[in-house]
Amino acid sequence: GENVEQHPSTLSVQEGDSAVIKCTYSDSASNYFPWYKQELGKRPQLIIDIRSNVGEKKDQRIAVTLNKTAKHFSLHITETQPEDSAVYFCAAKQTSYDKVIFGPGTSLSVIP
Amino acid sequence: GAVVSQHPSWVICKSGTSVKIECRSLDFQATTMFWYRQFPKQSLMLMATSNEGSKATYEQGVEKDKFLINHASLTLSTLTVTSAHPEDSSFYICSARRGTYTDTQYFGPGTRLTVL
Repeated sequence: GENVEQHPSTLSVQEGDSAVIKCTYSDSASNYFPWYKQELGKRPQLIIDIRSNVGEKKDQRIAVTLNKTAKHFSLHITETQPEDSAVYFCAAKQTSYDKVIFGPGTSLSVIP
Repeated sequence: GAVVSQHPSWVICKSGTSVKIECRSLDFQATTMFWYRQFPKQSLMLMATSNEGSKATYEQGVEKDKFLINHASLTLSTLTVTSAHPEDSSFYICSARRGTYTDTQYFGPGTRLTVL
């Protein structure tokens, strides 16, 4: 089955700097890759997603890149703000299956 | 749009009792809902996939007789933790998929279960 790894597990950046979180997946059949942000005690919120027919997607300060050959994808947050502090989860899914497999998460701290 | 609610938001119960958690899609029909469990500082672990009108599909290692799932309508799925024990204490989160031909899942706010 699918296995998703995520690095780093914790990340501290200064406000205004960029943050990059990297994930790898094992199943080449996976074709949908969402990223979720979860604040303490709250629900995961979808912040951006990408499909395997696209190499890059951007939404304001957030961008995701996908390398299908290497089976890895990354989240890039530019001009970080304190409110970006949260746990970020990457995930992978095959369209033909219902299951979304989550990575272990990255705790991002943005220092004012 | 795509709002998912859960009730209760938190519950404390005694060991050996049963607890029911409801998951509702408020503004869309969800043929498929998912139940996750999240321990502190850990990732979301899928427990089961719930399809309206049929039996739930449980992940390996999840006891179907202990975690009863019912998806009786297109907007409601319930998870009942039977004979709860302290090790069942966790954050339980449901999610719903909007439509059949979509990958996006929307999460409920979660239910914090504490078993004494």
